Amino acid sequence: EAQVTQNPRYLITVTGKKLTVTCSQNMNHEYMSWYRQDPGLGLRQIYYSMNVEVTDKGDVPEGYKVSRKEKRNFPLILESPSPNQTSLYFCASRTGPTEAFFGQGTRLTVV
Amino acid sequence: AQSVTQPDIHITVSEGASLELRCNYSYGATPYLFWYVQSPGQGLQLLLKYFSGDTLVQGIKGFEAEFKRSQSSFNLRKPSVHWSDAAEYFCAVALTRVTGGGNKLTFGTGTQLKVEL
Repeated sequence: EAQVTQNPRYLITVTGKKLTVTCSQNMNHEYMSWYRQDPGLGLRQIYYSMNVEVTDKGDVPEGYKVSRKEKRNFPLILESPSPNQTSLYFCASRTGPTEAFFGQGTRLTVV
Repeated sequence: AQSVTQPDIHITVSEGASLELRCNYSYGATPYLFWYVQSPGQGLQLLLKYFSGDTLVQGIKGFEAEFKRSQSSFNLRKPSVHWSDAAEYFCAVALTRVTGGGNKLTFGTGTQLKVEL
């Protein structure tokens, strides 16, 4: 089954404690992205990757890092989380300018 | 820069009534257009998409959308709403060719649909 898998689904952490949210897709897609969803703001792109070792900033990259060492994986790293990064995060993958396939989301709370 | 506007934050309809959710985009050419649905606690599911051709597109769950170039709109419709359609709906656009922007999807802010029984 074609899917995008994110882990964990829920995470509560404390300010400043580094964390990683994993994302993996099994569709051999070139493009992968991370979005955050906040009430009234829709989904905003954090980072994207056009292929292995090719990543770039989206609209709201501050406080986040990503890496793309393998085509299937695109982890999101928060080196020093802060409360304003409390949000719902989605990983997505796509091939070319087509529809994106989304993971189930990760609800992150930073206290 | 491309942008998407969903002017209705919340919409309430009665079960069995018709539905239209509005979406307007701003872009120099016709982008690829999408509607996604997000049920509570779930990820985003694609309802339908428009790339080219027939401006009336059919999607899953009985939804359809009409692309109107002159109005830069891509409104979502359903003739008869079911209680299970209660969810948040997002319109999105994508550039039609690969650019330095990584072919990103730009989303509207969403419309929350409530269905009254």
